[in-house]
Amino acid sequence: KAGVTQTPRYLIKTRGQQVTLSCSPISGHRSVSWYQQTPGQGLQFLFEYFSETQRNKGNFPGRFSGRQFSNSRSEMNVSTLELGDSALYLCASSSSRPSSYEQYFGPGTRLTVT
Amino acid sequence: AQRVTQPEKLLSVFKGAPVELKCNYSYSGSPELFWYVQYSRQRLQLLLRHISRESIKGFTADLNKGETSFHLKKPFAQEEDSAMYYCALSEGQAGTALIFGKGTTLSVSS
Repeated sequence: KAGVTQTPRYLIKTRGQQVTLSCSPISGHRSVSWYQQTPGQGLQFLFEYFSETQRNKGNFPGRFSGRQFSNSRSEMNVSTLELGDSALYLCASSSSRPSSYEQYFGPGTRLTVT
Repeated sequence: AQRVTQPEKLLSVFKGAPVELKCNYSYSGSPELFWYVQYSRQRLQLLLRHISRESIKGFTADLNKGETSFHLKKPFAQEEDSAMYYCALSEGQAGTALIFGKGTTLSVSS
């Protein structure tokens, strides 16, 4: 089975711009979660989508948004980029609830905001 | 607030020595606890979860609700165990969000 894929792998943007990151989950997985990883804050949960609906949201400003398509692929968007948004953004997919299941992580998208 | 604490940023041991990676949590309900591992140049992956009570690659972890701990242990470390280890807590029925600790780098040398 192919693993979770994320595109692009690297991205450089300027402050004030917006960016869209893409995640393709493992085939058959309907849940997609997004995490932000920074040296200072570590891994922080952004949001989770299941069957095109946002089920859970972390403590991030409204500039961070996401969506999921009918094929379970997901995108996250960050508007009005700030320098502090520079991070590795990880996507993870999993198959079903309850929460005691494995999340499979992608390789991440490295976003640099200048 | 829910929190996962890994007090050690780096743990260095010699091959064959016992290993204990510490993890403490704060959570008001019944948590689901996990250990994730990231080897060099590889993706973050699940090592083990408390409900399965299994040993993976020689590692075990016991959930101690009284001490709110979920320490990861291995009796004899191997060089291939060198990696970054993250303890994580799931909010259970509220969703699938994982709350991660800051991670501990385990370095095993010969």
